[in-house]
Amino acid sequence: GAGVSQSPSNKVTEKGKDVELRCDPISGHTALYWYRQSLGQGLEFLIYFQGNSAPDKSGLPSDRFSAERTGGSVSTLTIQRTQQEDSAVYLCASSLNLGSGNTIYFGEGSWLTVV
Amino acid sequence: AQRVTQPEKLLSVFKGAPVELKCNYSYSGSPELFWYVQYSRQRLQLLLRHISRESIKGFTADLNKGETSFHLKKPFAQEEDSAMYYCALKGGGAQKLVFGQGTRLTINP
Repeated sequence: GAGVSQSPSNKVTEKGKDVELRCDPISGHTALYWYRQSLGQGLEFLIYFQGNSAPDKSGLPSDRFSAERTGGSVSTLTIQRTQQEDSAVYLCASSLNLGSGNTIYFGEGSWLTVV
Repeated sequence: AQRVTQPEKLLSVFKGAPVELKCNYSYSGSPELFWYVQYSRQRLQLLLRHISRESIKGFTADLNKGETSFHLKKPFAQEEDSAMYYCALKGGGAQKLVFGQGTRLTINP
């Protein structure tokens, strides 16, 4: 596809269950980012990848959150033992490379609701 | 620490009126500043960046280092400008964008 693709677009899960969110970046983009947007909040940085490496995991809110990227392409964000405060829109983005001049393109997001 | 502040959560103006969305930042070095826009039911997309010094859809933004501001302006608002606008900063060697909380702009007919 032409843009960043995320799945599922909507997910309702019960508290305590694990969820996986998938991101398929634009083909050829080496950098991939995860952000979270909670109701009434701005966009909160979670993690970014350069290739398959994650140099900056500082934004992950707790050890229940993890992310991986394989083959320099698809990334999965996993939330274990979900809590109600995890309810948010999880946005994935990608850019051709890191650094100045590289436009970051966003996906449509995965809406997660924890009940 | 890097911080972006958008003081207005909501902004409403009439069609044809000038628009200014405020953005202030906190960063000790030389930042890259961006404006992103999210139209209804669409994904977040880049509107403009300060290094390009460009005008997109009639919008401009000038980086004022003295005032640490990057306000977004348009002289004559149009109804299709109604959207959520986010100011964002990338500082130094950091690769992440730090976003403000956004301003919802509504253009009234």
